[in-house]
Amino acid sequence: AQRVTQPEKLLSVFKGAPVELKCNYSYSGSPELFWYVQYSRQRLQLLLRHISRESIKGFTADLNKGETSFHLKKPFAQEEDSAMYYCALRPGNEKLTFGTGTRLTIIP
Amino acid sequence: DAGVTQSPTHLIKTRGQQVTLRCSPKSGHDTVSWYQQALGQEPQFIFQYYEEEERQRGNFPDRFSGHQFPNYSSELNVNALLLGDSALYLCASSLVAGALAGGQETQYFGPGTRLLVL
Repeated sequence: AQRVTQPEKLLSVFKGAPVELKCNYSYSGSPELFWYVQYSRQRLQLLLRHISRESIKGFTADLNKGETSFHLKKPFAQEEDSAMYYCALRPGNEKLTFGTGTRLTIIP
Repeated sequence: DAGVTQSPTHLIKTRGQQVTLRCSPKSGHDTVSWYQQALGQEPQFIFQYYEEEERQRGNFPDRFSGHQFPNYSSELNVNALLLGDSALYLCASSLVAGALAGGQETQYFGPGTRLLVL
């Protein structure tokens, strides 16, 4: 069975400092990986998907199949980055499996 | 495009009652997935509907059932409500046909319906 692990429940970072939210997964095949973000009082929204290899709001994430990781990074944190971040995996054409989430707080 | 919409936004029920939640997918999408997000927890997959049929199901009891209509909108029904059913119920829509044609089946979420069972 597939599993997503986000080891940090809470993460606080100073404004302007680099951010890294960790995500590890377990799945025997080639999954699709996503990062979703939930800002306060807003709906869950897609931030990144590994297949696109794009940068959104300054965030990037690289799929490392050897380490089975998909860490989310941003070189300089901004206050508006404070939110709940979920890493999610979808094996093939199946359901999304979410990690337990990391609440990121940017300290002004 | 209003994106994914859900109704009602909030609902209060008592144990043993039944509830129906509704979801309208994003324009052009043909698939609807439902998730349950308990307070402080991650979303958990309930089931997915495509072509008016349940395509996949998560680890939820038969008290949870659904339906998809020809216009792709969907309903989630929960019978014999328990206190533990209190949660935010999320609907997500996607375009399977696009995935089958080599596109990407990205799920877009609605704002959710917050259900409180007393």
